[in-house]
Amino acid sequence: QSALTQPASVSGSPGQSITISCTGTSSDVGGYDYVHWYQQHPGKAPKLIIYDVRHRPSGVSNRFSGSKSGNTASLTISGLQAEDEADYYCSSYTRSSTWVFGGGTKLTV
Amino acid sequence: QVQLVESGGGLVKPGRSLRLSCAASGFTFSDYYMSWIRQAPGKGLEWVSYITSSGSTMYYADSVKGRFTISRDNAKNSLYLQMNSLRAEDTAVYYCARGRGYSYGPLGYWGQGTLVTVSS
Repeated sequence: QSALTQPASVSGSPGQSITISCTGTSSDVGGYDYVHWYQQHPGKAPKLIIYDVRHRPSGVSNRFSGSKSGNTASLTISGLQAEDEADYYCSSYTRSSTWVFGGGTKLTV
Repeated sequence: QVQLVESGGGLVKPGRSLRLSCAASGFTFSDYYMSWIRQAPGKGLEWVSYITSSGSTMYYADSVKGRFTISRDNAKNSLYLQMNSLRAEDTAVYYCARGRGYSYGPLGYWGQGTLVTVSS
C-alpha cells in the first residue's frame, strides 16, 4: 500500500492554469477508473472535487478537470483564483479492494 | 443535509485503547459504505478502513490491521473505530466519511474530525 506520488508543491498566478499529477501503478491508478481528487483548506475537512477520474460533483466549479493516462492521473485547475490555494490529494481504489491516497500537493496562488 | 460528527478522540498512552464514534444524519445510513481516514499533524491523508453498508465486510490499511476494528450500528446511524495497542504514529485527526453503495465510490461527505494523541 505505497502512497501515490504527487508533486509536493505547485504554484501559479491568478488566471493561469496548473496541473497536478498523481502516479501509481497498474494495481491502482492504472487498473481502475476510480481515481478521486480532494481539496483541503487549512484546518478544514477534505472536499471531493473530482470523482471517477473526470467527473465533477454538483456545485464544483468547471475550472476543475481530471484525466488519466496509463498509471498517471492528473488534476487541472484553469483560471486560477486565490481561493484555489489549498492542498490537493488524489486517491485510487486498489486491486486489494482498499484505498490509497497520494502524498498531497500544496498549491500556491 | 448530510452530517457526520466524530467523537471519542483525546490523549491516550501508548499501548492503550480508544473507541471513536461517528454519528450520521441527513441520509439513509444503511445504504452507504463508510470509511475512516486519518491525517497526522502536518502530514497527508491516510486511508484507514472501510465497512460495507450491511457491516458484513471490512477492509484495513496494513498499518492498522490487527489493531483497529471498524464497525457500524445501522439502527443507531453510527460508525465506530475501536483502536487497540495504540502507538505514537497513530497520532492524527481521524475523519469519518461517507462513500456510496459500493466499494469504489468516492468519499463525498466528511466529518470535521476528532484528534487522537498517543503519548506518555
